[in-house]
Amino acid sequence: AQTIHQWPVAEIKAVGSPLSLGCTIKGKSSPNLYWYWQATGGTLQQLFYSITVGQVESVVQLNLSASRPKDDQFILSTEKLLLSHSGFYLCAWSLGVSNERLFFGHGTKLSVL
Amino acid sequence: QQQVRQSPQSLTVWEGETAILNCSYENSAFDYFPWYQQFPGEGPALLISILSVSDKKEDGRFTIFFNKREKKLSLHIADSQPGDSATYFCAASLNYGSSGNKLIFGIGTLLSVKP
Repeated sequence: AQTIHQWPVAEIKAVGSPLSLGCTIKGKSSPNLYWYWQATGGTLQQLFYSITVGQVESVVQLNLSASRPKDDQFILSTEKLLLSHSGFYLCAWSLGVSNERLFFGHGTKLSVL
Repeated sequence: QQQVRQSPQSLTVWEGETAILNCSYENSAFDYFPWYQQFPGEGPALLISILSVSDKKEDGRFTIFFNKREKKLSLHIADSQPGDSATYFCAASLNYGSSGNKLIFGIGTLLSVKP
């Protein structure tokens, strides 16, 4: 069975500090991977997607970057956090080549103070 | 510009009633419409979906009604249970099956089912 693990579960960070969030998918080779952001009580906004190791496509510009160093790992990071980065970050994977069915992780709650 | 709209933003029903959640969209090229269910502190999970070639999709107590001409769809939850209390997101995408396809989510409807 496929499992998706996100870390950390929650973070409280200061404005201007760096950030690194991670996601690992087990039990599925070469998945499509996604990062989504959700404001508190808000909709889900796709940030990045990756269809293979080393290739990441940006969907929106939020002063964040993403990398896929391994087939089963997706990293979201920034060198300087903004207040507007607060929210819920969700990693997801999909079967095949399209995201007709997304499997989400449990998310990371980020509070920027 | 919001491409996928949901209403109401929140809905309260009694246990056993049918909850009706509405969704509309702007891009007539959208061809795939999933509904995701999200409980507090968790990631969303796919509940049910429909392709634009169909006008109805049923899965147990959950039914999607789709009107392509009016660009509207609705999710009906029959015999609502307290465990159905969650946020429901309508989403849409085009070019179903293509690589890197992007889902556009609505703002969600917060459903509360009272016992």
